[in-house]
Amino acid sequence: DTGVSQDPRHKITKRGQNVTFRCDPISEHNRLYWYRQTLGQGPEFLTYFQNEAQLEKSRLLSDRFSAERPKGSFSTLEIQRTEQGDSAMYLCASSLGSQGVFLAFFGQGTRLTVV
Amino acid sequence: GEDVEQSLFLSVREGDSSVINCTYTDSSSTYLYWYKQEPGAGLQLLTYIFSNMDMKQDQRLTVLLNKKDKHLSLRIADTQTGDSAIYFCAETQGGKLIFGQGTELSVKP
Repeated sequence: DTGVSQDPRHKITKRGQNVTFRCDPISEHNRLYWYRQTLGQGPEFLTYFQNEAQLEKSRLLSDRFSAERPKGSFSTLEIQRTEQGDSAMYLCASSLGSQGVFLAFFGQGTRLTVV
Repeated sequence: GEDVEQSLFLSVREGDSSVINCTYTDSSSTYLYWYKQEPGAGLQLLTYIFSNMDMKQDQRLTVLLNKKDKHLSLRIADTQTGDSAIYFCAETQGGKLIFGQGTELSVKP
């Protein structure tokens, strides 16, 4: 399978715990995006990377959230001290491009439930 | 910030055409996209249109773009029950995609 891969698919955690999600993009794609989606809403932008550089981070993103893409390939999204409001689907996408976005492909998402 | 807007629901009968509308915000968007999401799944890229085009046809899908009004539409011909899903339009803003809330398409047999 050469698509975008996310792991785990589902995560249940207790409030206050830290969680980390992983995204493996399509291999030749240099851009990687993280989005969050809650029920009945469209995906909300969190952050994106071009290669290993984090180029933009949403103003809505709490400092409990951090993302890395250390070698410009896979990326991790960590949420510290989780809250019930963090429960959502976390989507990763990748694309090829240096200016703007072209043909972003999404993974299946990681569904986080904070209890 | 400004929002990409879509109507929330559309119900059609199998075999009819469906038209899903979207109003976007960024006139400098290079590409505009339609994605499909089935329950519990990620987003599937359906089609896209370059901003200098008015129309793009791809099998049963037709995308119309009115740049003056910042209006994008997706027409699905001969709609099937398998087309039931949520459809999202997306615009490019800088280096990222901004999505609408999604239109839930229900296809009745």
